[in-house]
Order: sequence, then structure tokens, then C-alpha cells
Amino acid sequence: KQEVTQIPAALSVPEGENLVLNCSFTDSAIYNLQWFRQDPGKGLTSLLLIQSSQREQTSGRLNASLDKSSGRSTLYIAASQPGDSATYLCAVKDRGGKLIFGQGTELSVKP
Amino acid sequence: EPEVTQTPSHQVTQMGQEVILRCVPISNHLYFYWYRQILGQKVEFLVSFYNNEISEKSEIFDDQFSVERPDGSNFTLKIRSTKLEDSAMYFCASRPTGNNEQFFGPGTRLTVL
Repeated sequence: KQEVTQIPAALSVPEGENLVLNCSFTDSAIYNLQWFRQDPGKGLTSLLLIQSSQREQTSGRLNASLDKSSGRSTLYIAASQPGDSATYLCAVKDRGGKLIFGQGTELSVKP
Repeated sequence: EPEVTQTPSHQVTQMGQEVILRCVPISNHLYFYWYRQILGQKVEFLVSFYNNEISEKSEIFDDQFSVERPDGSNFTLKIRSTKLEDSAMYFCASRPTGNNEQFFGPGTRLTVL
């Protein structure tokens, strides 16, 4: 059974710092991996999608990498801003098409 | 930009009552999903729907749950007899064909008293 784990559970950084969020999964037979942002009490906003054949994807200050064989993905946020404060979720898509989520990393960027 | 919409944003109900949560997926999408998130817990898969039938369901999705696409635009989740433990945020998602990302709605917060 696929398990997705995110470390750390919470992270607090000063504005301007570069940071890395980690996601690991137990079964490497994934179709893709998505990173989401969730603001308190709100829905999920898709940030990046990495196909299983890709190594990384970039969008603005965000860069996501995928190492399928080791079951790991990272989300790199450059030059963090207070507006980046949110919970970041990773999710892997399995053979059936459903997403299996990690528990998230709660990020706080202090001005 | 097209988006998934959900109504209501918040529903309060008494235990044992039936609720229907509504979703309008993005118009050219063919795959539809319901997920839920109990407060403080992971987002969990409930059910996927394609070509007017359920393609996969989780252990959570028991006989009390059903889904329907009644008119080609709406996608509904019905809980027949709500329990306290059904209190959660329910998210609808959709995606087009191919190995593409899923787009999520804003969620319906269900509170069962």
C-alpha cells in the first residue's frame, strides 16, 4: 500500500530565505506527482505536476524534483515571501488514477 | 480560467440526515473524484468516476455514500445517513484525459451535529 510522508511537518523561515520541502513515497510505481498549496480552511491549488518520466519541473520561484527510484520528491522555493505561508501537500498518482496525499508541511515565512 | 466549483461552501446537518454535496467540474474534463479531509488529517480519496460509472472507491466509500452525474454538468456526492465522523471538508476534483493534473474545487465543509 502506497504511503506518502512529508518532512518537516512545520517550517518557519525568515523572508528571503531559500527552502526545501521533502516528500517521500513507498511504492515507486507512480504515474505522476503533484505539489499543492493549501491556505487555512481553503481548497487545494495545484502548483506543479511532474510526470513519472521527468526529473524536475519549474514554475517561477518554485522547482520540484522527482527521483522515482528512491521514492523522493523535493519542492524548492526560492527567495521566500510572507505570501508563501501556507501548507504544502504532495500527492502521487497511482495506477488507478487516484491521488495519495502526504500530511503536508506547514510553512510560515516571517517578514 | 475554468475552475471546479462546489456548493454549498458549508453545510451543517443533524446526525442521521441525508446530505448532497454538489460539484461542477471543468467542462471538458472526463474524470471526476471526491476526496475528503478530516480536520488535521491527510486528504483521503473517496471515489473516482468515469464514463458514468464508478471506476474506483475506497474503504471509506461504503453503502451510505453514492455519486451521480445527473445532467452532464453536475457531479454529486450523497451521504444517506450522516454520522458524526463524516464531519470533514469534501473536495471535488476533475481532470481531462491523459496523465494530467487534477484540479480541485474549493471544498464543502460538512459539520454533522
